[in-house]
Amino acid sequence: EVQLVESGGGLVQPGGSLRLSCAASGFTVSSNYMSWVRQAPGKGLEWVSVIYSGGSTYYADSVKGRFTISRDNSKNTLYLQMNSLRAEDTAVYYCASPKRFGESPFDYWGQGTLVTVSS
Amino acid sequence: AIRMTQSPSSLSASTGDRVTITCRASQGISSYLAWYQQKPGKAPKLLIYAASTLQSGVPSRFSGSGSGTDFTLTISCLQSEDFATYYCQQYYSYSWTFGQGTKVEIK
Repeated sequence: EVQLVESGGGLVQPGGSLRLSCAASGFTVSSNYMSWVRQAPGKGLEWVSVIYSGGSTYYADSVKGRFTISRDNSKNTLYLQMNSLRAEDTAVYYCASPKRFGESPFDYWGQGTLVTVSS
Repeated sequence: AIRMTQSPSSLSASTGDRVTITCRASQGISSYLAWYQQKPGKAPKLLIYAASTLQSGVPSRFSGSGSGTDFTLTISCLQSEDFATYYCQQYYSYSWTFGQGTKVEIK
């Protein structure tokens, strides 16, 4: 059974940093692409970042230059390093992954971890 | 980035009703369109991919259609467990984008 479990969320001051983790089981994080998707309170879904199996990474314009996606194959874990955090980064952050190879939507989602940026 | 526009933003319906939600892409995305269902406090759940392919385990009352720029999600006979928010998503390009969501509420 595939499972994604996020951790690392919490309260952080504006300008601060936080690292989110997404531990995967039931599949290998390096076998396909994996993404972070966020949802601000009461708002819709926003794609944040992706890392492909080959290591290429891409970011939404709203986080480019501040967030870094990475993975540790030995731990089968995905990460999101978030720096220079702003109030508008407050959201539930989900890691997500497709089941199929190639261009595919997200079959698998974690339960989400809440990041609150506030002084 | 490709913009996805859903309509309506919300709707009220009764159990047993037929419900249709539309999604329009700002440029052609072929059939790289997915629909998700999200309930409060839960992660989104994939319902349909490739515009019209039902995800395994999803009831057949859900169906999707369309290609290019215009897409539709239909729930043929609304059940109590279907009251939720629905999102479309394009995965044509890596800068994936979602529609703003359609909240289906009980009339």
